[in-house]
Amino acid sequence: GQNIDQPTEMTATEGAIVQINCTYQTSGFNGLFWYQQHAGEAPTFLSYNVLDGLEEKGRFSSFLSRSKGYSYLLLKELQMKDSASYLCAVMDSNYQLIWGAGTKLIIKP
Amino acid sequence: GAVVSQHPSRVICKSGTSVKIECRSLDFQATTMFWYRQFPKKSLMLMATSNEGSKATYEQGVEKDKFLINHASLTLSTLTVTSAHPEDSSFYICSARGPSRQETQYFGPGTRLLVL
Repeated sequence: GQNIDQPTEMTATEGAIVQINCTYQTSGFNGLFWYQQHAGEAPTFLSYNVLDGLEEKGRFSSFLSRSKGYSYLLLKELQMKDSASYLCAVMDSNYQLIWGAGTKLIIKP
Repeated sequence: GAVVSQHPSRVICKSGTSVKIECRSLDFQATTMFWYRQFPKKSLMLMATSNEGSKATYEQGVEKDKFLINHASLTLSTLTVTSAHPEDSSFYICSARGPSRQETQYFGPGTRLLVL
């Protein structure tokens, strides 16, 4: 079957760095997406990785290793507004998005 | 760019009535639109995929006669919850994507439905 694993919840301190991991087992691979979702709101697109390596976008970076079925989202200089759920999603061979359950990130002052 | 709107944002209705939710892509042509449902503290559940001018493809377990989807133009898709019941209360979110299957899905702001 297809499976996306990410931690349920993480806590970090304002100003610090946090890494949210995502491992996946899917039938085929056409890219991995990270979305941010604040409570009660719809997801917003953060990043897309289809090749191995690190993609940096401001305070957020996303890494992919296809051979390991592994990705992480790195958030630097954490701000209180970064408190949200972070969803990892993999596009399989049928171009369907397989969603992880999300990681709730709690930022403390 | 890539803005998707959804209307209404909140709706409360009586059991047995039907509710229509609109999803619009404002600045791009959405060849494909997706409808999701999300329960509190749960992940997104894909209900159906609709391509412009075609019948929607429903996921297993989703009743097509209860959740009517129309995608009549490249900028508009609608979801109608027919004969709504309290168990249909949920957060419904649409997303839209351009013609390439590898393109990013952009989400609307969601519609919170409460059926009394």
